[in-house]
Amino acid sequence: GQNIDQPTEMTATEGAIVQINCTYQTSGFNGLFWYQQHAGEAPTFLSYNVLDGLEEKGRFSSFLSRSKGYSYLLLKELQMKDSASYLCAVRDGDKIIFGKGTRLHILP
Amino acid sequence: DVKVTQSSRYLVKRTGEKVFLECVQDMDHENMFWYRQDPGLGLRLIYFSYDVKMKEKGDIPEGYSVSREKKERFSLILESASTNQTSMYLCASRASFSRRRDTQYFGPGTRLTVL
Repeated sequence: GQNIDQPTEMTATEGAIVQINCTYQTSGFNGLFWYQQHAGEAPTFLSYNVLDGLEEKGRFSSFLSRSKGYSYLLLKELQMKDSASYLCAVRDGDKIIFGKGTRLHILP
Repeated sequence: DVKVTQSSRYLVKRTGEKVFLECVQDMDHENMFWYRQDPGLGLRLIYFSYDVKMKEKGDIPEGYSVSREKKERFSLILESASTNQTSMYLCASRASFSRRRDTQYFGPGTRLTVL
């Protein structure tokens, strides 16, 4: 079966660091995406990992361990505008399968 | 700039009506997708299309059909709308998956309410 798990909600403080975890069990694996989605808007692409390791892009980093079926998104120097849902998604052949998303609340 | 547009942001229909949701992309992408997004359930794939006139069922195709007569346009059809089809519908497109970093680009979404 296909299963992608991530926490439903998280809360962090402005200026801090937060790590959003994602575990997956899929029949195939061709890469893992992270998307950001603000309320009422469409998801926008953040990162893509296909090999093990850490990929850094400004304040955001994404990590992948294929052997563990595990990824995380790391957000540094949190800003109020980072309040959003973060979606983990796995590419399995032709399909991209999404997790249910993690709603991140940022406190001032 | 990448652009995916959807015909309506908000739509209200009655039970039993036939509903058409249109999606157009201007990036010459081969692959197009229709998802619905519901609270607590996340994004679920309804149908996708590899290329013109080609379609594949996603995870929840029941009650829906699709049409792809031109490369840039992918339509989602609700033959007889029901209240459990009230949802946010998101269209996405993607370049051929032979490219390594082939992310999906999403349209703004259509919030459909079926009364």
